[in-house]
Amino acid sequence: EAQVTQNPRYLITVTGKKLTVTCSQNMNHEYMSWYRQDPGLGLRQIYYSMNVEVTDKGDVPEGYKVSRKEKRNFPLILESPSPNQTSLYFCASSSPAGLDFPDTQYFGPGTRLTVL
Amino acid sequence: QKEVEQNSGPLSVPEGAIASLNCTYSDRGSQSFFWYRQYSGKSPELIMFIYSNGDKEDGRFTAQLNKASQYVSLLIRDSQPSDSATYLCAASYSGAGSYQLTFGKGTKLSVIP
Repeated sequence: EAQVTQNPRYLITVTGKKLTVTCSQNMNHEYMSWYRQDPGLGLRQIYYSMNVEVTDKGDVPEGYKVSRKEKRNFPLILESPSPNQTSLYFCASSSPAGLDFPDTQYFGPGTRLTVL
Repeated sequence: QKEVEQNSGPLSVPEGAIASLNCTYSDRGSQSFFWYRQYSGKSPELIMFIYSNGDKEDGRFTAQLNKASQYVSLLIRDSQPSDSATYLCAASYSGAGSYQLTFGKGTKLSVIP
């Protein structure tokens, strides 16, 4: 089954304790992205990756890191989480429809993170 | 900064009616536009995308794009209670090896039986 998986699905942690949220897709997609969703603010892009070893900042990259060492995986790293990073996080992937831009984005199930 | 604006709603329509959802975007360089449906606590799922001016129909859904007015809409015909969800409009921009997808905050639709 074609899918995007995220782990963990729920996480409660404390300020300053490094954490990693994993994202994996089995569709051989080149493009992967991380979003956070907050009430009243909608979905905001954190980082994205056009392909292996190619990553770039989205709208809200502060406090986050990513890496893309393999095509299928795109982990999100919070080196020193703070309470304002409490949010619902989504990973997404897609494959280019044309020369320059990706097509349909498939979203993972989400990770609900609480930072105390 | 690229922005996508939607009326937050809630938009309430009776079952069987047409629901009309609207969206405007700020960046004239935006190239493609997407409508996603999101049920509470779930991940967004794509309903439709549109690249060219005009209408695009898929079953009960019609997306409309007017690039001159920087306006995108989604019509849902014969609305069903199962259509009750939040609808997200998104605009993409790509160029020079980069790509960005910007979402609106969503419109909550409620279909009343």
